[in-house]
Amino acid sequence: SAVISQKPSRDICQRGTSLTIQCQVDSQVTMMFWYRQQPGQSLTLIATANQGSEATYESGFVIDKFPISRPNLTFSTLTVSNMSPEDSSIYLCSVAGQSYNEQFFGPGTRLTVL
Amino acid sequence: AQSVAQPEDQVNVAEGNPLTVKCTYSVSGNPYLFWYVQYPNRGLQFLLKYITGDNLVKGSYGFEAEFNKSQTSFHLKKPSALVSDSALYFCAVRDIRGGSYIPTFGRGTSLIVHP
Repeated sequence: SAVISQKPSRDICQRGTSLTIQCQVDSQVTMMFWYRQQPGQSLTLIATANQGSEATYESGFVIDKFPISRPNLTFSTLTVSNMSPEDSSIYLCSVAGQSYNEQFFGPGTRLTVL
Repeated sequence: AQSVAQPEDQVNVAEGNPLTVKCTYSVSGNPYLFWYVQYPNRGLQFLLKYITGDNLVKGSYGFEAEFNKSQTSFHLKKPSALVSDSALYFCAVRDIRGGSYIPTFGRGTSLIVHP
């Protein structure tokens, strides 16, 4: 299994500002995934981040709003840009297990936008 | 596309009683099915998976799940519930998007175990 940490664990932000969330994994992984969990909702995949290439975004998510960096095999960042109250969610970082069956998740970043 | 459905938003059970959290699936081909648990203010934790083999799969914390192909179900069960089992449970199916294996999650079921 992988141990994943995220920073910050929570934040309260003003609308129009941006927040960068960091994700650190204790082992090298090819792909990292970013999810959003809106209040009372299931998890929605935002994008898949491969090291050395552009992230692949799911329908409804765009790079200008959620830019992602993947500078090496153990680290990624997700930025939530020009925030609005609708961006209030838990953002989760994830990596796949070796067999690409189960996934391992970070503890999440709880974002509140006022 | 692969999908799972969790028909119950919430399940209430008394401590010591058996619990069942329901999940049905819709897939093309063989299903790869999972259960995850999310405790309050924490990320998701993997509980168990069905890939192939025995229909009864055992996982963490005493949980098990029964794969039923004829009913396209994968219900999560535990013989005796604990208050500490109170959490949000997600059923998931392995999907492929953009060349990557990605789980598609159900909407989640809140399990509340009463003392």
